[in-house]
Formats: sequence, C-alpha cells, structure tokens
Amino acid sequence: DAGITQSPRHKVTETGTPVTLRCHQTENHRYMYWYRQDPGHGLRLIHYSYGVKDTDKGEVSDGYSVSRSKTEDFLLTLESATSSQTSVYFCAINGSPDTQYFGPGTRLTVL
Amino acid sequence: KNEVEQSPQNLTAQEGEFITINCSYSVGISALHWLQQHPGGGIVSLFMLSSGKKKHGRLIATINIQEKHSSLHITASHPRDSAVYICAVGVDKLIFGTGTRLQVFP
Repeated sequence: DAGITQSPRHKVTETGTPVTLRCHQTENHRYMYWYRQDPGHGLRLIHYSYGVKDTDKGEVSDGYSVSRSKTEDFLLTLESATSSQTSVYFCAINGSPDTQYFGPGTRLTVL
Repeated sequence: KNEVEQSPQNLTAQEGEFITINCSYSVGISALHWLQQHPGGGIVSLFMLSSGKKKHGRLIATINIQEKHSSLHITASHPRDSAVYICAVGVDKLIFGTGTRLQVFP
C-alpha cells in the first residue's frame, strides 16, 4: 500500500457537466499520473505531473485538464463530460525503484 | 499495431499447471513491468526488470532485450492467481498492453 487514495470511487454524471477527480498520496512522491482504462485498450496515460505546478499531456489528454498545487494532490478535471469519457480512472505514483503504485480507481459513468 | 502486444488474451488452466504469458514490444525500452489486476479492479506491480530474470515466490519474469520479448511464468498455479496480467514498458510514461485474463480452476 503506497498511500494513494482516489475520490470519489464512483460517480454518475450527465453529459455537459464538469467533473473533478482527486488523487491524494501520503508518500511525497514527485511523479503522479492519471490513466483511463477501457475494454480493448488497456491503460492509457491522460496527464502526468513531475512536480508542483509541473504537468504534461499524455496519449489521450483531449477533454481533460489537471492541476497540482500541492505535492500530495493531483486533480483531474473533465470540463464538460461526454459519454466517451465513461471509463475507470486510475491515479498512480512513481515509487522506487521505478515502480508505479496505483490507486484503487474511480468508476465514472457519463449519461 | 500496438506497441505492446500480449498473448494469449485469455487463458484457462487447472490448478497446479505451469502458466506462461508473453509480451512483445516494438519500442526501445529501459524497463518492462508486469502488473496484476484482480477482479475487484486493484492494480499491483509484480516486477520491474531491465534484463535477465526475476523471481518472487511462484512468479518468474524473464526478458530478452534483443528479441524485445518478455515472459511471465506462474508455477503450480492456484485459483487465487486468477486475474488480469498486464505488461507495460517504460520508466515513467508507461505504455501498456491490453492484458491477459487468467482463470485457474480447482
């Protein structure tokens, strides 16, 4: 257990509404990641952060934004949720040695 | 073509059997990871390797850098090994395979 929590764990929302998912770590790790997992695609990187206020895009970043104002928190925001963003979202940190530790996941349904 | 391919996609076995899951990749890498995802959804890192072989309990992971191929072996499989096994390459920005679903029956 690398001290990673995600909130909420489940969310149902409607198309067009904003949604923010939170990832919290207690391990003071520099690198944090947001992934989405969909059937047939495996895990895909949305955004990642390499420090406070330092973020970069991943493979599937369109429609998502992130913020990291504190080391322990990495927020993922869907500005205007769409049905294609229905997915399971995982947060991860890069621990040592070069091992990624994953949060429990957030299941998001956009109706 | 995916940069990380796993085979087989699905695998069933009887308890006690020796299991092999394969991972081939097309990109240059410095590290390869094997992960396990249980039916409840949680993802756990099993191995990170950059060369040779690693062993942990009944699990053995090997990698051949020249052939761009890795294998995960499970000896004396048990129903509690039933899970999705995921291969990923990279050090920080990982590229994942789509996983191998393993079911082990008593």
